[in-house]
Amino acid sequence: DVKVTQSSRYLVKRTGEKVFLECVQDMDHENMFWYRQDPGLGLRLIYFSYDVKMKEKGDIPEGYSVSREKKERFSLILESASTNQTSMYLCASSAHSGNEQYFGPGTRLTVT
Amino acid sequence: QKEVEQDPGPLSVPEGAIVSLNCTYSNSAFQYFMWYRQYSRKGPELLMYTYSSGNKEDGRFTAQVDKSSKYISLFIRDSQPSDSATYLCAMRRTGNTPLVFGKGTRLSVIA
Repeated sequence: DVKVTQSSRYLVKRTGEKVFLECVQDMDHENMFWYRQDPGLGLRLIYFSYDVKMKEKGDIPEGYSVSREKKERFSLILESASTNQTSMYLCASSAHSGNEQYFGPGTRLTVT
Repeated sequence: QKEVEQDPGPLSVPEGAIVSLNCTYSNSAFQYFMWYRQYSRKGPELLMYTYSSGNKEDGRFTAQVDKSSKYISLFIRDSQPSDSATYLCAMRRTGNTPLVFGKGTRLSVIA
């Protein structure tokens, strides 16, 4: 059973804190993605990676950074959390040129 | 104009109805077209995908792509309460390119 796991289902952080969201996939996929999902705005791509140590900006990279030191792990970092980063964060992975992205269960982050 | 437009609904239908979900897009370079289904408090899962124009059928689900009109559809026949979910269209160009998602349509099938 293929799997994408995310480190936390729910997270509450304070404004200004540094936040790490971890994602691990067990399918040996080259591609990994970070999205946020908000009501009325849908899924928005933050960053993606096609290979280890590689990263590309998505549609809304401001305020975020990423790290991919190993093929199976893709981390999203909020350098200084702000209330407008309260959202559902979804990680996904896919094979090279794949149409099927496998999503994790999501992390609901609240920044107070 | 956004690259992919999708009516967010919500859409409420009685059990057994035929459901039609649609997306329009502006980028003629899109070649792969997908429908994802997302149940509440879960990540999206791929339902169907088609390459270029044409139809594809899988059980009660039919996906249609009309590239000349830049319009894609998903039809659900004999809808069931278990079909209640948010349906997201997605598409991408050729090569190793990311998906562009619609905002999703929330569907409720009432027993």
